[in-house]
Amino acid sequence: AQTVTQSQPEMSVQEAETVTLSCTYDTSENNYYLFWYKQPPSRQMILVIRQEAYKQQNATENRFSVNFQKAAKSFSLKISDSQLGDTAMYFCAFMKHNVRGYNNNDMRFGAGTRLTVKP
Amino acid sequence: DTGVSQDPRHKITKRGQNVTFRCDPISEHNRLYWYRQTLGQGPEFLTYFQNEAQLEKSRLLSDRFSAERPKGSFSTLEIQRTEQGDSAMYLCASSLRGTVQETQYFGPGTRLLVL
Repeated sequence: AQTVTQSQPEMSVQEAETVTLSCTYDTSENNYYLFWYKQPPSRQMILVIRQEAYKQQNATENRFSVNFQKAAKSFSLKISDSQLGDTAMYFCAFMKHNVRGYNNNDMRFGAGTRLTVKP
Repeated sequence: DTGVSQDPRHKITKRGQNVTFRCDPISEHNRLYWYRQTLGQGPEFLTYFQNEAQLEKSRLLSDRFSAERPKGSFSTLEIQRTEQGDSAMYLCASSLRGTVQETQYFGPGTRLLVL
């Protein structure tokens, strides 16, 4: 079974600074996807960034980038130039790549990291 | 708005009552998922539909829970004889089979409180 671990329940960062959120996962699969989702207070979960395991290049989306270390099964999220609107719960998630197409695509989530950006 | 919508957003009920939640996915998405999220935790998978077929159910989905997606569009999740342990946020997500990564897009959730 796949498990996702986020070892930092809470973090804080000063506005405009950089912060890195950690995520590790356990799987015997070779093909899979990894995601970071953001859940602002009382608002819905939105996708921040995604990474295919077969790609060596780390994904980037504007101020958000990942450090994907497949051998170490590590998938950290770096937020540069933090903004007040980045305050949220951040969830790391794992999904198997199902070649046949009908298999379950459920995601396994970590417990989350609560990030607070301070002015 | 073309995102995933859920109704109601909040539900308070007494123990033993039945409740039903609705999810409307993004219109062209053929896959629909239900998750449960308790306070301070990440979402946990409950069940999954491809079109109208329910293809998998988690062991978390007890006999009191039933989900349907009759025409392959909206879905309902019913909880019978609610218990206090059912109090949680119920999240719906949808995705399009065949797209890269099949990214799941989430709705705002239905927060259930069982008294």
